[in-house]
Amino acid sequence: DSGVTQTPKHLITATGQRVTLRCSPRSGDLSVYWYQQSLDQGLQFLIQYYNGEERAKGNILERFSAQQFPDLHSELNLSSLELGDSALYFCASSAHRGHTEAFFGQGTRLTVV
Amino acid sequence: QKEVEQDPGPLSVPEGAIVSLNCTYSNSAFQYFMWYRQYSRKGPELLMYTYSSGNKEDGRFTAQVDKSSKYISLFIRDSQPSDSATYLCAMITGANSKLTFGKGITLSVRP
Repeated sequence: DSGVTQTPKHLITATGQRVTLRCSPRSGDLSVYWYQQSLDQGLQFLIQYYNGEERAKGNILERFSAQQFPDLHSELNLSSLELGDSALYFCASSAHRGHTEAFFGQGTRLTVV
Repeated sequence: QKEVEQDPGPLSVPEGAIVSLNCTYSNSAFQYFMWYRQYSRKGPELLMYTYSSGNKEDGRFTAQVDKSSKYISLFIRDSQPSDSATYLCAMITGANSKLTFGKGITLSVRP
């Protein structure tokens, strides 16, 4: 167990809908990262927050947004969902600003139908 | 050309074999190099990371980095069925914290 908790584990929703994925980092970790994993694209970095502030952005679509709250948990909001958004979404956390020792959660499997 | 290329799989070896997993990269700015292991239906787990050329050993695992050739490898000695998983290489530049992954290779170790 990595100590990173993601909910829900599975999510099935219809096209056009909006969903929120939640991540609780390891105790004491200030950085939270979101990734998308699909068969064709592999694991893609979406966005990083450090202590409540956005720190780095990757290949995140405008329909997606994230935030990190004062208690350091993070949420990833996905809106106007398309079939192609079906993927595994992972959250990772680390104690510091860098990725070098990031620990991943077990992921949320999103299926858009 | 993708920034990180990983040998395509899948790879199947008998128990006890030495396994070599490889990645090449094109971005000279990459400074840290990592290997993750991902079991089915689980999140990636960090196996090893290094920031310099040369070898780093941890038990049965050895990570090798050749910055001049832009090539990294992970060697697994005395492979076990429990090593069956997907292995992903990952790299990061120091500047913007963006972690770039290879697509991963699925390894199966046959008893």
